[in-house]
Amino acid sequence: DIQMTQSPSSLSASVGDRVTLSCRASQNIGSYLHWYQQKPGMAPKLLIYIASSLQSGVPSRFSGSGSGTDFTLTISSLQPEDFATYYCQQTYSGRTFGQGTKVEFK
Amino acid sequence: QVQLVQSGAEVKKPGSSVKVSCKASGDTLRSNIITWVRQAPGQGLEWMGGIIPVFRETKDAQKFQGRVTFSTDESTRTAYMELNSLRSEDTAVYYCATEPRLNWNDGYAMDVWGQGTTVTVSS
Repeated sequence: DIQMTQSPSSLSASVGDRVTLSCRASQNIGSYLHWYQQKPGMAPKLLIYIASSLQSGVPSRFSGSGSGTDFTLTISSLQPEDFATYYCQQTYSGRTFGQGTKVEFK
Repeated sequence: QVQLVQSGAEVKKPGSSVKVSCKASGDTLRSNIITWVRQAPGQGLEWMGGIIPVFRETKDAQKFQGRVTFSTDESTRTAYMELNSLRSEDTAVYYCATEPRLNWNDGYAMDVWGQGTTVTVSS
C-alpha cells in the first residue's frame, strides 16, 4: 500500500501569512495527488486536484505543486476562514489519505 | 448541481451490521464512482472502497475486505455501504463522495461529499 506522510502535523500562523504544507508519498504517484480542507463537524472539501489544478470556486490564494513523491499546498495569504485541517490524498493505486495538517491561529 | 444526502445516525451493538445510505441527485449514479470514507473521532480520513454503479463494479480497501459491501439502487438513486461484524473501533463518521469518472484507474479526486453519518458501536 502507498503511504502518505504530511508535515508538519500542525502549525500556528497569523492572518496574512504565507503557509506551505508538505505531503510525501512512499512511492512515485505521478500527479495523482489531491488536497482537501476540513473544518470541525463538516465534510472535507476538495481544493486542488491532480497536484496543481484549482477546484472550481476555490480562492486563488490556494495553489498546489509537485509530482512523483513530493507535493506542496501553499496558501499565499492566510485568511480567517482558512484555519482548518488539510489532507492530501493519492489515487494512483487505491486511495490513501495523509494524516492531516492542522492550521491553527497563532 | 450534484448533491449527496446520507441517512441518519445509527447506534449498533458489537457484532451487528450497519447499512448507510447515500441518495444522489439527478444522473449522479450513471456518471460517477461512489466512494466511501470514514473518520473515527479525532482521527484522519480512511478510504473504505466504493462502487461504479453503471458497471456494478466494486473495490474494497484491503482492511475491509470481507466485511464491507457496496451496492446501489438506481430506481431510488441511492448508494449503500453495509459494514458487518461491527466492533467499537468502527465508531466513526461515514461519508459518501463522488469521483467523476467511470474507471478506478483514472485516479480522480472526490469532488462532492455527503454530510456524513455517525455510527456508534457500543454495548
